[in-house]
Parts: sequence; structure tokens; C-alpha cells
Amino acid sequence: GAVVSQHPSWVICKSGTSVKIECRSLDFQATTMFWYRQFPKQSLMLMATSNEGSKATYEQGVEKDKFLINHASLTLSTLTVTSAHPEDSSFYICSAASGRETNEQFFGPGTRLTVL
Amino acid sequence: GQNIDQPTEMTATEGAIVQINCTYQTSGFNGLFWYQQHAGEAPTFLSYNVLDGLEEKGRFSSFLSRSKGYSYLLLKELQMKDSASYLCAVMDSNYQLIWGAGTKLIIKP
Repeated sequence: GAVVSQHPSWVICKSGTSVKIECRSLDFQATTMFWYRQFPKQSLMLMATSNEGSKATYEQGVEKDKFLINHASLTLSTLTVTSAHPEDSSFYICSAASGRETNEQFFGPGTRLTVL
Repeated sequence: GQNIDQPTEMTATEGAIVQINCTYQTSGFNGLFWYQQHAGEAPTFLSYNVLDGLEEKGRFSSFLSRSKGYSYLLLKELQMKDSASYLCAVMDSNYQLIWGAGTKLIIKP
């Protein structure tokens, strides 16, 4: 099956620092990658959609200057949380779509970010 | 607006059967997904329905009625490890997933 990895699995950082999260599709080329955020006991919230080689499309209410997304290749997308604050503490999950007929998204294991 | 409704929480007994319902109203339809999510983990794919009817996969089955905007996930022979949240998601006309809030399923011995 399709495998998506995320790195790091968890990160603790000080307020005001930046954190980069990597999302990789290991055995397929991902035409589209998605970044989600999930707060405790809530559902997934789509932050942005990115296609390789083009700018990401951000959902309403998501600050593009704060959450920088780069999709440099068909197997790698990165999310950088700039000037992180405690309210950015959350579970960040990426998913990747190969564009095949099932439209299925394959999820990474998630990254738990804690901002002190 | 777009809306996905599913019960917040359900309780069932080990070995029994449980049905988790999902109703949706979306702009366009390109399939309905069910995902399982254990606490602190990312969702894992369970099923995909794009045509009306029942899809069976082992102990799990998923049903879709597009005319009614309705789906259910049926879990048979429940095991303790099935305790998790079950997320219903619909892919709209823009191929974006619209997520329900999830149903927390509690299995009791």
C-alpha cells in the first residue's frame, strides 16, 4: 500500500521559534498533498492544499505567512510554522493523493507540536 | 453550506454489531470515505463508496445512498481494539474532503 511518512513525530519548541514538518510519500508520487490540523477531541481541519511546483491553496482563516508550505517535489512537502505560539500547539497531519481513481488520501502518522 | 453529520459517541458490547450513520450535504459528490482514528494517531482508511450499495470488507461494511445523502459503517463481531473514532468524509466537486466531527465508539466487555 501507499506509505506516507512525517518527520518529526513530535516536537517541543519555545514560543517565537519556527518549526518545520516534513511529509514524504515513500512509494508513490503525490500530485497533491494536504495539511490538516486537529485539536483534541475535534475533527480534522484542512489548512491547505498543495500541488507540486505551485503555490499552496490555503483555507479561509489560515494565515499563509505563518504556515509556510513548500511542495518542491512529487514526494515531499514541508509545513513551517513560523513564530510559533502556544495556541499553535496541535496535531498536524499531512496526507497525499496519487490522483488515481479512488481519490483516496493516504495519511502520514502526524506530528504533535507543543509550543511552550 | 456543506455539512456532515454523525453521532458524537456510541457504545457497544464486545462481539456485537454496531452501525454508525453519516448524513451529508455537499456541493457535488466524488465519493464518501470512512476512516478509523485511534487516540493520538492519524486516520487510517477503512472504505470508499462512490456508487449506491453495500461494500463489504471483512468485519467492516459500508453503505451509500446518494439520493438520500446517507451512509453507514457497519462493524461486526466487535473487538476491544475497535474502540476508536470513526470519521465520515465526503469528497466534493472540487475533490476536497469535507470531514465529519467523528463518532467515538466505546466497546465494553
